[in-house]
Amino acid sequence: EAGVAQSPRYKIIEKRQSVAFWCNPISGHATLYWYQQILGQGPKLLIQFQNNGVVDDSQLPKDRFSAERLKGVDSTLKIQPAKLEDSAVYLCASSLAGGNIQYFGAGTRLSVL
Amino acid sequence: DAKTTQPTSMDCAEGRAANLPCNHSTISGNEYVYWYRQIHSQGPQYIIHGLKNNETNEMASLIITEDRKSSTLILPHATLRDTAVYYCIALYTGTASKLTFGTGTRLQVTL
Repeated sequence: EAGVAQSPRYKIIEKRQSVAFWCNPISGHATLYWYQQILGQGPKLLIQFQNNGVVDDSQLPKDRFSAERLKGVDSTLKIQPAKLEDSAVYLCASSLAGGNIQYFGAGTRLSVL
Repeated sequence: DAKTTQPTSMDCAEGRAANLPCNHSTISGNEYVYWYRQIHSQGPQYIIHGLKNNETNEMASLIITEDRKSSTLILPHATLRDTAVYYCIALYTGTASKLTFGTGTRLQVTL
């Protein structure tokens, strides 16, 4: 069974530029999550989707971050404009609807210079 | 979700059992204890979870005290590949429940 796919693996941008990350969850998983992991800390949930609807985006900085899951499968997370403090690993995870075992991708490491 | 407390780091010799403790003294009756680990440069990986009874799977065993205020994750025969950060999370189950990661325990397995 294929796992959660994320791309790119690494991205380097300058502050004020925009960037987008892509996630393809495990087939059949209705719930998709985006996490931000700053160096030395545990992952922090940014947004949770159930199919193509948002369940929780309370910790998403909505002035600069946006996410979508238009067809209830793939998802993109965008940052516009990026700040230095956005340097982190962005992790995508998926789970079955109502399930609490989440499967994570390898993440995208973002460096903002 | 209840707060959990874990040691910052632990060492274990390869081949020996690694016992990782977790305190969750304010856990409520319907909160599960979940364990994930994160190997360097990878996303977190689910290990095991439990409510009251001890649990065992192919990766590890989970021992929960009778009062449920603490638990221990046991890797029976640690290998170098078990070197990772281990997270203990107390979690209500349900559609909107979310994992709240702390800083975890960094386990270093050595030769």
